[in-house]
Amino acid sequence: GNSVTQMEGPVTLSEEAFLTINCTYTATGYPSLFWYVQYPGEGLQLLLKATKADDKGSNKGFEATYRKETTSFHLEKGSVQVSDSAVYFCALRAWGGGSYIPTFGRGTSLIVHP
Amino acid sequence: GAGVSQSPRYKVAKRGQDVALRCDPISGHVSLFWYQQALGQGPEFLTYFQNEAQLDKSGLPSDRFFAERPEGSVSTLKIQRTQQEDSAVYLCASSLVLGGAPVIEQFFGPGTRLTVL
Repeated sequence: GNSVTQMEGPVTLSEEAFLTINCTYTATGYPSLFWYVQYPGEGLQLLLKATKADDKGSNKGFEATYRKETTSFHLEKGSVQVSDSAVYFCALRAWGGGSYIPTFGRGTSLIVHP
Repeated sequence: GAGVSQSPRYKVAKRGQDVALRCDPISGHVSLFWYQQALGQGPEFLTYFQNEAQLDKSGLPSDRFFAERPEGSVSTLKIQRTQQEDSAVYLCASSLVLGGAPVIEQFFGPGTRLTVL
């Protein structure tokens, strides 16, 4: 079956620090990979995506590269802001067998202090 | 509004009560998903509609859970005889369809937080 494993949080950083949130996956078929962000009281928002190996997704200063050889999709940002405080979810959708059901990780809470 | 809306935002039910949770997808979005998100966990798939057709309900945890989308727009998730383990946030997401499958980007509603006492 499909699964996503994220590093446990909370991740606590000072403003302008470098961020890495690790994500690894197992999948049948050939997955597309995603990062979603959930701000307090809001629904999940798609942050970035990558649909094939070596693709780099990027948005709002966040980046993640689809690494098929290590089955990873780590999220990075060079300089975090207080406004980046949220919960981040890694997810995949594999196309094997006609399935389109996404699989989400448990989420990693990010807290950024001024 | 232009986004996915859900109501109520919060629901407290006594064990054994029936509840109904509503989702208004983005206009024109053919695809609609329901998810259950337990505290500290990621969303878990419950069921999927394409227009009014329920194409996949493999994630519904028991026969107490029932979902419908009779006119292919608004959807209702009903939970009968609620139990404490049903306490969670219920998320709805909608998307366009391309080639018969939902496109990658789903738009999520804010969720309904259900607490069963």
